[in-house]
Amino acid sequence: IAGITQAPTSQILAAGRRMTLRCTQDMRHNAMYWYRQDLGLGLRLIHYSNTAGTTGKGEVPDGYSVSRANTDDFPLTLASAVPSQTSVYFCASRGTAHTDTQYFGPGTRLTVL
Amino acid sequence: GQNIDQPTEMTATEGAIVQINCTYQTSGFNGLFWYQQHAGEAPTFLSYNVLDGLEEKGRFSSFLSRSKGYSYLLLKELQMKDSASYLCAAYDSNYQLIWGAGTKLIIKP
Repeated sequence: IAGITQAPTSQILAAGRRMTLRCTQDMRHNAMYWYRQDLGLGLRLIHYSNTAGTTGKGEVPDGYSVSRANTDDFPLTLASAVPSQTSVYFCASRGTAHTDTQYFGPGTRLTVL
Repeated sequence: GQNIDQPTEMTATEGAIVQINCTYQTSGFNGLFWYQQHAGEAPTFLSYNVLDGLEEKGRFSSFLSRSKGYSYLLLKELQMKDSASYLCAAYDSNYQLIWGAGTKLIIKP
């Protein structure tokens, strides 16, 4: 593994179903992030984790949950998907310093019907 | 509220120079990033400015004026592969990145 991986690459999901998007990094970065990107709106932060064992809410957390059991993994769960959650989801991680660059995974394209 | 403004779309000619502007309003400021994002791909890091002035990296340069809440990305000797969206983002006082909606740059031959 090099950098950040996300799975699945894309998914079509029926409304009401539960879905977990996976994110794994091998850079030993403490901070990790989940964003959604919608046309014309830019990247919006869903949840973040500054270090293993801690999580925080971003700008648009409703309908999503996260966990950070270890440094490498940061899964995002949609408990009961709705069509408004159709989006491209990016996971990112950041190095030790607060102002370090955020590096992005390749993204998951999710469609909720 | 916190806000990042940048033009939605710009068009330029191959071989020319283009400047993409970004203005920001954040609660506190801890630096400004520029990212490049090709269609269907993830954003990739281009530059980071925390002090006033110009940072040059090959064909790309980024400028920051903290007093004006203003930055620009300058792309020289444009190539077709520079066709992409360019995202401006600023760290606020809590070290959360505030993102602009991105500027789609179209390069014409």
